[in-house]
Amino acid sequence: QLVLTQSPSASASLGASVKLSCTLSNGHSTYGIAWHQQHPKKGPRFLMIVNSDGSHSKVDGIPDRFSGSSSGAERHLTISSLQVEDEAEYFCQSWGTGIMVFGGGTKLTVL
Amino acid sequence: QLQLQESGPGLVKPSETLSLTCTVSGGSISTNIHYWGWIRQPPGGGLEWIGNLYYTGSTYYNPSLKTRVTLSVDRSKNQISLRLSSVSAADTAVYYCTRLRRPGYNPIDTWGQGTLVTVSS
Repeated sequence: QLVLTQSPSASASLGASVKLSCTLSNGHSTYGIAWHQQHPKKGPRFLMIVNSDGSHSKVDGIPDRFSGSSSGAERHLTISSLQVEDEAEYFCQSWGTGIMVFGGGTKLTVL
Repeated sequence: QLQLQESGPGLVKPSETLSLTCTVSGGSISTNIHYWGWIRQPPGGGLEWIGNLYYTGSTYYNPSLKTRVTLSVDRSKNQISLRLSSVSAADTAVYYCTRLRRPGYNPIDTWGQGTLVTVSS
């Protein structure tokens, strides 16, 4: 059964970089995921797909500061030159055997 | 630009049926490279998948909701619909209409703005 694990919180300083992780459960290390961003009181927004080979595909309009990568069963979202507007919750999402799965989300605080 | 707009009652009584409609604009619902679906998020909570459907009507449901959920498509109106029966306070949530890319990992690539449904007498 596919499970996606995320740290509940992360923080980094304005202008710095942060790397968020989403870990795929055993037996699913070849799966790709999608990253979504959600600001408080707002609906989620699709950011990008990250594949198992580390390639990623961003949606139009997402700044170059956002990038994706992979390492084993981990899928990463890196945000560089952090801005105030990057403070949000970040969810990963994938598809198991006939079911959709979400990670628990990481709440990012920009200090 | 594709837009998804949810509509329906914001208040539903316990034990009744929740019904929502998603109107798709800026694109056709009848594509073979997309699924359409619903996600919900309780207040202060995480995202929960409800189900997906293909424009032909074939469906995938969350096993935990399967006995209460029905998704349907109206291609003439470019709409999908959600019905959730026998609701309780636990079904209070913001409900999002979504589009997913297929095949593969079926990432959600478009979200509606969401609509809050409260279950209360």
